[in-house]
Amino acid sequence: DIVMTQSPLSLPVTPGEPASISCRSSQSLLHSNAYNYLNWYLQKPGQSPQLLIYLGIIRASGAPDRFSGSGSGTEFTLKISRVEAEDVGVYYCMQALQTPYTFGQGTRLEIK
Amino acid sequence: EVQLVESGGGLVQPGGSLRLSCAASGFKFDDYGIHWVRQAPGKGLEWVSGITWNSRSGAYADSVKGRFTVSRDNAKRSLFLQMNSLRTEDTALYYCARTVPPLIFSATYYAVDAFDLWGQGTMVLVSS
Repeated sequence: DIVMTQSPLSLPVTPGEPASISCRSSQSLLHSNAYNYLNWYLQKPGQSPQLLIYLGIIRASGAPDRFSGSGSGTEFTLKISRVEAEDVGVYYCMQALQTPYTFGQGTRLEIK
Repeated sequence: EVQLVESGGGLVQPGGSLRLSCAASGFKFDDYGIHWVRQAPGKGLEWVSGITWNSRSGAYADSVKGRFTVSRDNAKRSLFLQMNSLRTEDTALYYCARTVPPLIFSATYYAVDAFDLWGQGTMVLVSS
């Protein structure tokens, strides 16, 4: 199985400041179609997860444009250009290249 | 309204069975793959199982393989998860989730199992 490792696990951020979360996979997530099968989700407190980024770089419908994804192979990053109070929650990366699909441990973003 | 609604959770003894359902509305159900993801209390997300739009392919996490069976009825716009031989470690909130549409390159379809629509979840508690 592909192991997903996120860092940091806790991320305190001042509103208006940028933030970055890293995700590393134990195997390359690069598909033969040239896309990386890496997704990012946010689970806000008390809510179901929501899709932010898929295929490593594509922003999901409804995801604010302050969120962006980058990386390839085994190293990926989710960036928030300017954190807002509503961004609080747990962020997960997930590989969808091969089953069983696997999630990272989660990164808890909190407002300072 | 575009939504997924799970049902069927509850309290069951170890070794028992439950059948979860996920009802879809507001979109063309048979165009999409659907998956189950669970979350144990206070823990992270764990992918459980998924099925393609036409039921041709189903997949399972190692932890549930041989005990859980995923199925769907496109005419009833519903997804199911039959859970047998339940264990205490199966205790979790079970979500169903819809995939984004496939990529199409040169007339080839590539599944993209990113989950863009989630239900609110149904709780399964396995305890004696």
